[in-house]
Parts: sequence; C-alpha cells; structure tokens
Amino acid sequence: KNEVEQSPQNLTAQEGEFITINCSYSVGISALHWLQQHPGGGIVSLFMLSSGKKKHGRLIATINIQEKHSSLHITASHPRDSAVYICAVLYSGGGADGLTFGKGTHLIIQP
Amino acid sequence: NAGVTQTPKFRILKIGQSMTLQCTQDMNHNYMYWYRQDPGMGLKLIYYSVGAGITDKGEVPNGYNVSRSTTEDFPLRLELAAPSQTSVYFCASSYFDIQYFGAGTRLSVL
Repeated sequence: KNEVEQSPQNLTAQEGEFITINCSYSVGISALHWLQQHPGGGIVSLFMLSSGKKKHGRLIATINIQEKHSSLHITASHPRDSAVYICAVLYSGGGADGLTFGKGTHLIIQP
Repeated sequence: NAGVTQTPKFRILKIGQSMTLQCTQDMNHNYMYWYRQDPGMGLKLIYYSVGAGITDKGEVPNGYNVSRSTTEDFPLRLELAAPSQTSVYFCASSYFDIQYFGAGTRLSVL
C-alpha cells in the first residue's frame, strides 16, 4: 500500500518557536488529515484538507497537491502543544476503507 | 453527546484467551473503523463498516472479527489472543471524511 512519510520523527523546541512538520505521500489523494495525539493517548482531528490552506488559532495547515506535500505549522509554540502529530491521507478511490497514516512526529516544547 | 466510547480502557489477556473490545457512537455515523497502533508505527486499519450489517477487512484483519448489528455499535472480537496482538486499539466513526476517535483500549497479551 502507498506510504505516508512524515518528518521530522522527533522535534524538541523552545517555547515561542515556530514549528513546521512535514508530510509527503506518493499518489493522488482525495483528502489529507492532520491529527493530534496527546500523551494520554486520545486522538483529535485538527484539520482536513483537499487544497490550499487552513488556519485554526495558532495552527496552520497547507497542502500542495502537485508536489504531494503538506505542512503543519505551529506559531508561538507552547508546552501544551507537546504531542504526537499524525498525518493521514485518504487515497483517491479509497472510499470507505479508511485512512493511511504516517508514523507521527513527536513534538516536545520546552518552557 | 459522548462521541465514540470504547471499553475497556486497559486489559491483560493470557495467550489463547478471547475477548471483545466494545465501541459505541452516539452521532448516528454510518462509517466506523477499528485501528491498531503499535509503538513507532502508524495506525493500521483492521476492519471497517459502512453501515449496519456491512463490514469489510482492512489492512491487518487476521485474528480479529467484527459485527455491526446496529448503527451505534461496532465490537471487535479477538479469538485465541496472541502476543502479536499486544497493541493499542482505536475505534473511530466518520462523517464527511472527518474521523472521530475513541480514547483507545490498551491490550497486553502475555
């Protein structure tokens, strides 16, 4: 099955830094998701994108369909942003059979 | 509105035992999914359902069974548990491609 690659795998930054997490995929998709998994294990959907850019608070997600690449940015990072960020894609024609997930980026924001 | 509820949160099984992981959602979603998450790996789809009475295999279905008798419930059955089934299991439901996840069940098979 087609892969979803995320980078970096681990990222430690200082509070206030601008954070970028990258996601690339290999074939056409109908949607890309960014998810957040907190240390307690729960998974929350942050964004769903099929084109362009979305913003929610300090989080910004972009996607470039031609380059098969998406980025998640966090502005003015805070220790509470520490979590695993997961990119997942729904392949074109994938229909109901679920998402394909990256391995996640483990982000730690130090005070 | 509880969303997606999974029980139990934790379980330890002995090799060869069986158990059912429960999943229920109160959002009237037709699409439901079971994933497993292994350390250092992305979530992988075990089974999915597009509505009551309809289920299909995902990427890693071996050793598992599901049923979907109602829209709300989508239990996952483990028969003859094996150490390879030690994992964290997530149930999810979806509406217009947005997936809503349960809190997960952490299962150890010893």
